[in-house]
Amino acid sequence: DAGVTQSPTHLIKTRGQQVTLRCSPKSGHDTVSWYQQALGQGPQFIFQYYEEEERQRGNFPDRFSGHQFPNYSSELNVNALLLGDSALYLCASRPNGRRTGELFFGEGSRLTVL
Amino acid sequence: QQQVKQSPQSLIVQKGGISIINCAYENTAFDYFPWYQQFPGKGPALLIAIRPDVSEKKEGRFTISFNKSAKQFSLHIMDSQPGDSATYFCAASGTYKYIFGTGTRLKVLA
Repeated sequence: DAGVTQSPTHLIKTRGQQVTLRCSPKSGHDTVSWYQQALGQGPQFIFQYYEEEERQRGNFPDRFSGHQFPNYSSELNVNALLLGDSALYLCASRPNGRRTGELFFGEGSRLTVL
Repeated sequence: QQQVKQSPQSLIVQKGGISIINCAYENTAFDYFPWYQQFPGKGPALLIAIRPDVSEKKEGRFTISFNKSAKQFSLHIMDSQPGDSATYFCAASGTYKYIFGTGTRLKVLA
């Protein structure tokens, strides 16, 4: 049973560019959340997707957008990249329909913005 | 304001010692308090969690102590081992919300 998988694992972009990160949730999970983890910090909630809709959103600008597909996989898009967007981006999934409880994390996508 | 304050930021413990990490939360609507362990290059993984209807939960060498009135909870690692060296995050969760602490980098000396 595969866990949460994310791609790419590492990428380097320059300021102003756009990036798309991808996530496949753990089998049987339909709720996907995205987190930004800056170096030495805890994960910060970006948004959560359930039934292909954004259900909750953290304090992130509109440059951060996402999508969930019918197979529950998800994408995170960041436009007009800033140096401060350099971070580890984590995807987490949760068992179907649960409003709380354990999050299952992927290993993350390390984004460096130059 | 929804924050989870975690301390200390870093911790060095001798092998066999007790590691203690503390967290405090503000929102009384939270009803799930997990601790996650993260190794370098990996995503966080659930270590142990507690709900506010109990004051303590123990799983092997790991114990959560929970003080609902003070809105505080702590992780105790007994008989700390070098393999426990990692970053630990507390979190507080409620309906579709999940707030993480800033993390504690634990190093256990052999």
